[in-house]
Amino acid sequence: KNEVEQSPQNLTAQEGEFITINCSYSVGISALHWLQQHPGGGIVSLFMLSSGKKKHGRLIATINIQEKHSSLHITASHPRDSAVYICAVRSGGGADGLTFGKGTHLIIQP
Amino acid sequence: NAGVTQTPKFQVLKTGQSMTLQCAQDMNHEYMSWYRQDPGMGLRLIHYSVGAGITDQGEVPNGYNVSRSTTEDFPLRLLSAAPSQTSVYFCASSYSRGAGTEAFFGQGTRLTVV
Repeated sequence: KNEVEQSPQNLTAQEGEFITINCSYSVGISALHWLQQHPGGGIVSLFMLSSGKKKHGRLIATINIQEKHSSLHITASHPRDSAVYICAVRSGGGADGLTFGKGTHLIIQP
Repeated sequence: NAGVTQTPKFQVLKTGQSMTLQCAQDMNHEYMSWYRQDPGMGLRLIHYSVGAGITDQGEVPNGYNVSRSTTEDFPLRLLSAAPSQTSVYFCASSYSRGAGTEAFFGQGTRLTVV
């Protein structure tokens, strides 16, 4: 089974700071997902990527397949970015194919 | 677009009671799944379905039943609720399990068993 590790587990930053959340996995994958969960809310897909880099607004996701590592960056962070960010990898096998990290709890203070 | 709809959002059960968590999607997705989310742990797969009439167990299936009579609906039944089933439950759907497939999640059901 793929092991997915996220770091940091918790992150508190000031508004405007550049944020980086990391995800490492142990076995080769076919795709990696970054998800966002606001307090008491549902889970929303931010990115799905299998190589390179994707950008959406102030969010940037990168993946290095050789190093089995992905990063999620938030530029010009805002209090509304406060949420849990979850990394999930799709290994292509098994019952579901998705293995989830434990999440990174991000708080952006005004 | 409604996407994935879960009901109820909150539920309190007494130990031993049974209930059904509802999940419906309007995207004609073949693949649906149920997860539970517990503090300090990643989402864990309870049951999944690859199409109407086909279901299978995930990582933590004990105490739960599912059925898939239509493409749209995938209810999760708790047979005899236990405090260990206190959790947040998410239903998800996707077109397939393929590499390029985006997953869509419901809003979650927060269940407390007392």
